[in-house]
Amino acid sequence: SSELTQDPAVSAALGQTVRITCQGDSLRTYYVSWYQQKPGQAPVLVIYGENNRPSGIPDRFSGSRSGNTASLTITGAQAEDEADYYCHSRDSSSKLYVFGPGTTVTVL
Amino acid sequence: QVQLVQSGAEVKKPGSSVRVSCKTSGDTFSSYTISWVRQAPGQGLEWMGGITPFFDTTNYPQKFQGRITFTTDESTNTAYMDLSGLRPEDTAVYYCARGADAFDLWGQGTVVTVSS
Repeated sequence: SSELTQDPAVSAALGQTVRITCQGDSLRTYYVSWYQQKPGQAPVLVIYGENNRPSGIPDRFSGSRSGNTASLTITGAQAEDEADYYCHSRDSSSKLYVFGPGTTVTVL
Repeated sequence: QVQLVQSGAEVKKPGSSVRVSCKTSGDTFSSYTISWVRQAPGQGLEWMGGITPFFDTTNYPQKFQGRITFTTDESTNTAYMDLSGLRPEDTAVYYCARGADAFDLWGQGTVVTVSS
């Protein structure tokens, strides 16, 4: 079982704000990275570290952390943001890496 | 443009082994960890481990102990993932990715099907 938990699905109207959360004890210590995956495609890194966006990722994507919860926020969600989103960090006991189970984002 | 280019699809019998390759540029190979991630049909991402060529170190989760091997070929800037004792539940898309704490570059994926 995953040491990181995510809500299975989240939806929002076009142009509204979407927040995806990732919970785990290890997040009190380690940063999380976030990945967007569309059907049939490889994942794409959207947020890493404190709140860093790789080149080419729109600034409507942002990350934050509080206690044992990390969040990915899409401010002004677009139709192309419909995808599965995964968090990734370390396991608190083994210190090895683990993914969250993923959240499916639907933009209505 | 830096890319990770993986080997083609494989169909394997249960109990056999598979090798997936991941070729990249020289600076990526020498400066980064190459990690491996798989995704079973309709399922989420699973971290399988990685290798840091510069330090010649590897790590992987306990569930793959005894079945997984990561190697590299510096002369061709290629990383390899060998998985033995294949089971039907190993059927998945296997990805290589650059990095450890964050994967900023991914291969295109290699479909491995395990079926009798």
